Amino acid sequence: NAGVTQTPKFQVLKTGQSMTLQCAQDMNHEYMSWYRQDPGMGLRLIHYSVGAGITDQGEVPNGYNVSRSTTEDFPLRLLSAAPSQTSVYFCASRLRQGYEQYFGPGTRLTVT
Amino acid sequence: QQQVKQSPQSLIVQKGGIPIINCAYENTAFDYFPWYQQFPGKGPALLIAIRPDVSEKKEGRFTISFNKSAKQFSLHIMDSQPGDSATYFCAAKNNAGNMLTFGGGTRLMVKP
Repeated sequence: NAGVTQTPKFQVLKTGQSMTLQCAQDMNHEYMSWYRQDPGMGLRLIHYSVGAGITDQGEVPNGYNVSRSTTEDFPLRLLSAAPSQTSVYFCASRLRQGYEQYFGPGTRLTVT
Repeated sequence: QQQVKQSPQSLIVQKGGIPIINCAYENTAFDYFPWYQQFPGKGPALLIAIRPDVSEKKEGRFTISFNKSAKQFSLHIMDSQPGDSATYFCAAKNNAGNMLTFGGGTRLMVKP
């Protein structure tokens, strides 16, 4: 089992550029989510999905889009990057009946 | 608005000391309280968790104390070691919701 994988590990964008952060899990978890981590703010939920074809907004969804076409993949799209989106992004997954969330290794994004 | 407040933001102890990290919450619908440990460059990993029907849970050197009436819970690390140096996050899950709400994090350093 690879667990939760994320690509890329690092990314630098210019303001206004778009990109997609990739997330995949091989544990057949129904729930997947995206968090951003900023100093002193903990982890804040951006978007989440309770299964293929179903997504919902978290605490800080503005500027981000998601889709869930398969159980395994949950990409996060930045439509027009802004410096305020400079952060470390984590993808996580868990079973529908479970409580433990498994996190990926993170993507460090810098927007200049 | 942070629903789970964590303190202190940083903590330095000597090897063998007992660091204590505290969290407070407002939402009485929270029914699951995990602690996550994060090493630099890695994603958070579940360390220990408690439900509100017990006042204490121990796993190895890690103990959660839970005070339901005060809506507070804390993590104690017995006989701390330099390898425990990491960032610790408390979190809470709503019994009607799907995802976790995290505290702001505590960066712990254990000096040899």
